[in-house]
Amino acid sequence: KQEVTQIPAALSVPEGENLVLNCSFTDSAIYNLQWFRQDPGKGLTSLLLIQSSQREQTSGRLNASLDKSSGRSTLYIAASQPGDSATYLCAVNRCNEDNNNDMRFGAGTRLTVKP
Amino acid sequence: DAGVTQSPTHLIKTRGQQVTLRCSPKSGHDTVSWYQQALGQGPQFIFQYYEEEERQRGNFPDRFSGHQFPNYSSELNVNALLLGDSALYLCASSSRTGFNQPQHFGDGTRLSIL
Repeated sequence: KQEVTQIPAALSVPEGENLVLNCSFTDSAIYNLQWFRQDPGKGLTSLLLIQSSQREQTSGRLNASLDKSSGRSTLYIAASQPGDSATYLCAVNRCNEDNNNDMRFGAGTRLTVKP
Repeated sequence: DAGVTQSPTHLIKTRGQQVTLRCSPKSGHDTVSWYQQALGQGPQFIFQYYEEEERQRGNFPDRFSGHQFPNYSSELNVNALLLGDSALYLCASSSRTGFNQPQHFGDGTRLSIL
């Protein structure tokens, strides 16, 4: 059974700092890993998707890496801003026996960036 | 191009009642998945629909049922509501032929059970 863990559960940093969020998963037979942002009471916004054959993906100030063999991914946020304050979730996706998506989420890291 | 839309946004029910939540997938998507997200937790997979049939199911009781219509929209029904059913219910859509593509999520329905 796939287990996804995110550390830390919460993180508070001053504006301008670079930071790293961690995600680990127990079953390395994945097809991709996706990082989401969730604002309070809202749905999920996809930030980055890394295919299993890729090592990293970048979008603006965000960089996500994937080490499938060790079951780890990191989300790096450069020059953090107060607007980055949100919960960040990682999810691993595999194709199940019926050729359907099977997505498992971590519990998220709640990020606060202080002005 | 509308994304995933869910209705209603908020709902208050009492224990024992029944509720129906609705989801319209992103244009071009044919697969709908439902998730339950308790406060402070990650989303938990409930079930997935494709071609109007339930294709896979997470660890949820039979009180949770669903339906998919020919236009790919979907409903989630929950019977005999319990206090523990209070959560944000998220719908995600994807394309079956592009299973390795990102799922797109709606803003969810916040269900409160009194």
